[in-house]
Amino acid sequence: GDSVTQMEGPVTLSEEAFLTINCTYTATGYPSLFWYVQYPGEGLQLLLKATKADDKGSNKGFEATYRKETTSFHLEKGSVQVSDSAVYFCALIIRSNDYKLSFGAGTTVTVRA
Amino acid sequence: AAGVIQSPRHLIKEKRETATLKCYPIPRHDTVYWYQQGPGQDPQFLISFYEKMQSDKGSIPDRFSAQQFSDYHSELNMSSLELGDSALYFCASSARLAGDYEQYFGPGTRLTVT
Repeated sequence: GDSVTQMEGPVTLSEEAFLTINCTYTATGYPSLFWYVQYPGEGLQLLLKATKADDKGSNKGFEATYRKETTSFHLEKGSVQVSDSAVYFCALIIRSNDYKLSFGAGTTVTVRA
Repeated sequence: AAGVIQSPRHLIKEKRETATLKCYPIPRHDTVYWYQQGPGQDPQFLISFYEKMQSDKGSIPDRFSAQQFSDYHSELNMSSLELGDSALYFCASSARLAGDYEQYFGPGTRLTVT
């Protein structure tokens, strides 16, 4: 079935450090890929998305590129801030699977001042 | 901009009681999804509705039922509650007919079963 494998955490970084969270997927069709962020005690917010191969999603300094050849959608940010501390979920949807979201396990990121 | 509304935001129930969670999608969105997120877990798909008809079903217990009403709001009914039902329940909506498959999430309902 369709699934997402995400780098497990927790990840602890210092402010201004470089962040990478690896995400790979398995899908029978052509998925759209997403990164969601969940701040402590809050709901899910869409961070960025990419709908086809080689698309790059970006938002708030975060970037991820849809790599079909490696079935990956790694999240990166060049200089993290304390406010980026959250849980990050990689997810996909597939048209043939009724567009429901399949999430990775989530990666907890803590940024220290 | 209007967002997805969920009510109540917090709910405390005892074992074997029933609970009803409500979801009001973004105006003109025709599709509603329900997800369950256990403590420290990723969200798991429960059920979805498109144009008031059940569209897909995931790992939803038989004790749970849901529907989408004529005004597109949706309700998740949970009976014979168990301790393991304690979780954050998210509703998301999308405008599938318009070709927008991005799901917009509500703030969630935190259900605690004691």
